[in-house]
Amino acid sequence: EIVLTQSPGTLSLSPGERAILSCRASQSVTNNFLAWFQHKPGQAPRLLIDDASTRATGIPDRFSGSGSGTDFTLIISSLDPEDSAVYYCQQCAHLPLTFGQGTKVEIK
Amino acid sequence: EVQLVESGGGLVQPGGSLRLSCATSGFAFRSYWLSWVRQAPGKGLQWVAIIKGDGSQKFYVDSVKGRFTISSDNAKNSLYLQMDSLRVEDTAVYFCAGGLGWTSLYWGQGTLVAVSP
Repeated sequence: EIVLTQSPGTLSLSPGERAILSCRASQSVTNNFLAWFQHKPGQAPRLLIDDASTRATGIPDRFSGSGSGTDFTLIISSLDPEDSAVYYCQQCAHLPLTFGQGTKVEIK
Repeated sequence: EVQLVESGGGLVQPGGSLRLSCATSGFAFRSYWLSWVRQAPGKGLQWVAIIKGDGSQKFYVDSVKGRFTISSDNAKNSLYLQMDSLRVEDTAVYFCAGGLGWTSLYWGQGTLVAVSP
């Protein structure tokens, strides 16, 4: 099983600041099949990034993904108050599919 | 418009059974991979099971193998999760989700399953 470790656990930033979220895999993720999701309480998770760096349809360009192999990054270039949420990475290459434990982004 | 609507959650005693349903519309169900993902109270997301919309392939996380069964009815564009021998640790909000690959693009709002004596 591929274990995904996200850091930091919590980010507390002001509107307009840049958020950098990390996701490290215990082994290489084949074809970089790594996705990022945004999840707000009481809502459905929302796909942001697929295949490590491809923005899903309708996702603002302030969200960007990068990385390969075992190290992946989600950057929110300029935080908006609506970005307050928990962000999860998920590897979609190997069974069982696994999620990281999440990074909570708080907007001051 | 794509829609996924879960139903069937509720309160059940340990050892009991529940059947979750997910009614879908707005996408080519047979061609999609459909998943169940759960979130225990105060915890993160956990993938539970996945099935090809035509029912040809299905996979499970180890902790539910032999207890849960995922199935699909492509005539009704519906996904199911039969949950038997439920445990307290199965308590969670269960989401159905779908995508062309194993990454889930579309998600439902979730249904709560509570397993308690």
